[in-house]
Amino acid sequence: GAVVSQHPSWVICKSGTSVKIECRSLDFQATTMFWYRQFPKQSLMLMATSNEGSKATYEQGVEKDKFLINHASLTLSTLTVTSAHPEDSSFYICRAGQKQYFGPGTRLTVT
Amino acid sequence: GQQLNQSPQSMFIQEGEDVSMNCTSSSIFNTWLWYKQEPGEGPVLLIALYKAGELTSNGRLTAQFGITRKDSFLNISASIPSDVGIYFCAGLNYGGSQGNLIFGKGTKLSVKP
Repeated sequence: GAVVSQHPSWVICKSGTSVKIECRSLDFQATTMFWYRQFPKQSLMLMATSNEGSKATYEQGVEKDKFLINHASLTLSTLTVTSAHPEDSSFYICRAGQKQYFGPGTRLTVT
Repeated sequence: GQQLNQSPQSMFIQEGEDVSMNCTSSSIFNTWLWYKQEPGEGPVLLIALYKAGELTSNGRLTAQFGITRKDSFLNISASIPSDVGIYFCAGLNYGGSQGNLIFGKGTKLSVKP
C-alpha cells in the first residue's frame, strides 16, 4: 500500500531556532499534501494544505510566516517552524495527496 | 464549519468483549474513514466507506456508512489487548483542492486482559 514517511521522527530544539520537517510520499506522487498538528489528548487539526508548485493554503489562525511550507516536488513537502517557542511543541503529522494515509508523525519539543 | 461528534470518549472493557463507537455530523460527507492511533505514531487507516449504506469489514472490525451520510459506526468484535489505542472517525468531502478530513475527537479504548 501507499507509504508516507516523515523525517525526523522527533526533534528537540531551543527557543528561537528553526526546525524543518520533511514529508515524503514513497510510492506515489502527491500534488497535494496536508499538514496537521496534534496536541496531547486532542484530535488532529489541519494547519495547511501544501500544493506542488504553488503557495500553500493556511487554515484560519495559522501564521504562514511562522510555519513555512515548501512543496518542491511531487513527492516531498517540508514544514519549517521558524523562531520556535515552547508553545509550538506538538506532534506534527502529514497526509499525502488525496489518499487517506498519514505519515508517522514528528514530535517537536522546544525548550 | 463541519463538526463530528464521536462517542463514547473512552471505553474500558474486558478482553473478548465487543466494542461499538459512532460518529455523527451536522452535515453530509462523501466518505467516512476510521483510524487507529497509538502513542507517538500517526493515524493508521482501518476502514474507508464510500457509499451511503455501505457496510465494510476488516477482520474483526466492521464499519457502516449511515444512509443519511451524516453518521457512521465502528464495531470491534472479540477485543484483544492490542486493540488498545485511540480510534478516530473522519469525514471527507472531495472537491476543489482541499480534500480536507474533518476528525472526531476520538475514542480511547482500554482493554483489560
